[in-house]
Amino acid sequence: TAGITQAPTSQILAAGRSMTLRCTQDMRHNAMYWYRQDLGLGLRLIHYSNTAGTTGKGEVPDGYSVSRANTDDFPLTLASAVPSQTSVYFCASSDGTVNSPLHFGNGTRLTVT
Amino acid sequence: GDSVTQMEGPVTLSEEAFLTINCTYTATGYPSLFWYVQYPGEGLQLLLKATKADDKGSNKGFEATYRKETTSFHLEKGSVQVSDSAVYFCALHYSGGYQKVTFGTGTKLQVIP
Repeated sequence: TAGITQAPTSQILAAGRSMTLRCTQDMRHNAMYWYRQDLGLGLRLIHYSNTAGTTGKGEVPDGYSVSRANTDDFPLTLASAVPSQTSVYFCASSDGTVNSPLHFGNGTRLTVT
Repeated sequence: GDSVTQMEGPVTLSEEAFLTINCTYTATGYPSLFWYVQYPGEGLQLLLKATKADDKGSNKGFEATYRKETTSFHLEKGSVQVSDSAVYFCALHYSGGYQKVTFGTGTKLQVIP
């Protein structure tokens, strides 16, 4: 099974440009998340969605926006990229209950120059 | 606030050595505790979990016991293999309007033949 698919795998982006990172899941999970992973900082939550049609801010939401038009898709948009947004971005999903694990995609490595 | 502290890596072990990766946490309430593993170029995946005090999670020879009195969830394996080389993340799962997850910063394990 595919699980979570993220695209692109990697991208180099000029500062000031916009970009959308794509995330699709085939597990019919209610909850979806975007994290960024930076060396020494672990994973930090950017935005989340408990169910289709709703979104919320995580720990580091500034400079990012998300939408959840349907259950399967949860794109992350950078409206005007800055070098500090250079990171590895992971999309994840779960059934939303506290004891259920997060299922992760393989990540998008983004470099903002 | 809630936090997770993991031992700093990298940890380098010879094949068949005993592994311990320490994890301690601070939390309000009663979180569930998880270990995730990340192989190179991939997202995190569930290794094991424990949902209440004194529970032991186990998988693939790895074990961890939820110790409420010492607020710890140390990961152990009796005999590591080269294929266990990866980054290991301790995490708290708890409810807070959404499925909140706090990750440790990760411990890189390298197993040499």
